[in-house]
Amino acid sequence: DVKVTQSSRYLVKRTGEKVFLECVQDMDHENMFWYRQDPGLGLRLIYFSYDVKMKEKGDIPEGYSVSREKKERFSLILESASTNQTSMYLCASSLYRLDTQYFGPGTRLTVL
Amino acid sequence: RKEVEQDPGPFNVPEGATVAFNCTYSNSASQSFFWYRQDCRKEPKLLMSVYSSGNEDGRFTAQLNRASQYISLLIRDSKLSDSATYLCVLNSGNTPLVFGKGTRLSVIA
Repeated sequence: DVKVTQSSRYLVKRTGEKVFLECVQDMDHENMFWYRQDPGLGLRLIYFSYDVKMKEKGDIPEGYSVSREKKERFSLILESASTNQTSMYLCASSLYRLDTQYFGPGTRLTVL
Repeated sequence: RKEVEQDPGPFNVPEGATVAFNCTYSNSASQSFFWYRQDCRKEPKLLMSVYSSGNEDGRFTAQLNRASQYISLLIRDSKLSDSATYLCVLNSGNTPLVFGKGTRLSVIA
């Protein structure tokens, strides 16, 4: 059974802080993804990675960066958090690129 | 035309009813199709893949119509526990999966 875990369920940060969101998967998946989900806007892809040390921009990468030093771990970084980054952040992984994605439980981030 | 379009709902149906959702897509080259289910404040989870010939899983039936570029999900004998948002998901060329915004279903006792 695939397990994707995220470091925090709820997080409150202040404007300007650097924020790290961690995601770990235990199924040796090559591919990992970061999304944010907002009411009325659905899931929007921020960044994805098809291999270690590889990253690609999704649809809304501005204000974010990522790191993939190990196959099982994919980190999302908000260099300087802003209030418009308040959102639910979801990490996912998949075995093949166009295959089913398995999601972590999400991190609800509030930036004050 | 948007890549994936779904009626946001909500669909309010009584227990035991049959309900169907459609999802239209714009890229005729799309190859992989899925329905995901998302409960309130939870992560999306795979409900079922959608195969060209159509497929069934218990009370759920998924269909693909390539000519008209839509997929459908039929739920028979609705249960209260079916209340959720149903996301249409597909690939669009060689890019990561594209998620629809979802259709909200509310099954009422």
